[in-house]
Amino acid sequence: AQRVTQPEKLLSVFKGAPVELKCNYSYSGSPELFWYVQYSRQRLQLLLRHISRESIKGFTADLNKGETSFHLKKPFAQEEDSAMYYCALRDSGGSNYKLTFGKGTLLTVNP
Amino acid sequence: NAGVTQTPKFQVLKTGQSMTLQCAQDMNHEYMSWYRQDPGMGLRLIHYSVGAGITDQGEVPNGYNVSRSTTEDFPLRLLSAAPSQTSVYFCASRQREGSEQYFGPGTRLTVT
Repeated sequence: AQRVTQPEKLLSVFKGAPVELKCNYSYSGSPELFWYVQYSRQRLQLLLRHISRESIKGFTADLNKGETSFHLKKPFAQEEDSAMYYCALRDSGGSNYKLTFGKGTLLTVNP
Repeated sequence: NAGVTQTPKFQVLKTGQSMTLQCAQDMNHEYMSWYRQDPGMGLRLIHYSVGAGITDQGEVPNGYNVSRSTTEDFPLRLLSAAPSQTSVYFCASRQREGSEQYFGPGTRLTVT
């Protein structure tokens, strides 16, 4: 069974400080990892996917298969980054179409 | 495109009542799914569908039914509402081979 663990329910940093949201996963197949973000009163939206290796809004995430992690990082947090962040996993092969989410981390960036 | 739409936005039910949460998408996506979002629990999959006429259970299906008569619509039915079903419900869709899942705005349901 696939599982996603986000160990921090809450994370609070000051503006300009680095931020790292942790995500660990367990899955025996070939996983595809994502970060979704939900700003206050808005719908969930895709932030990053590991296969594209892109930087969105200054955030990056690297898939570490050895440590089974996909941590989300940003060198200088901004107040507008305050949101709920969800890590998610999907099997990249076969017919497994289910997206499994972690429990989420609420990031607060203080002025 | 309107994307994924959900109605209603808010709903209050009494225990034992039934209702249907509506979800529609205009992107011709094969896959659609329903999640519930609860504090400290994240998003949990209720039911999903890989195409018209095909549905299956997710992680927390009890007390909910779904059907998929068209590609566009994927309604979620609460058969006999219970206070434990108080939650925010999200519908989502994506293409068969696509990796990005698109979410609706959510329905906040309170069962008293």
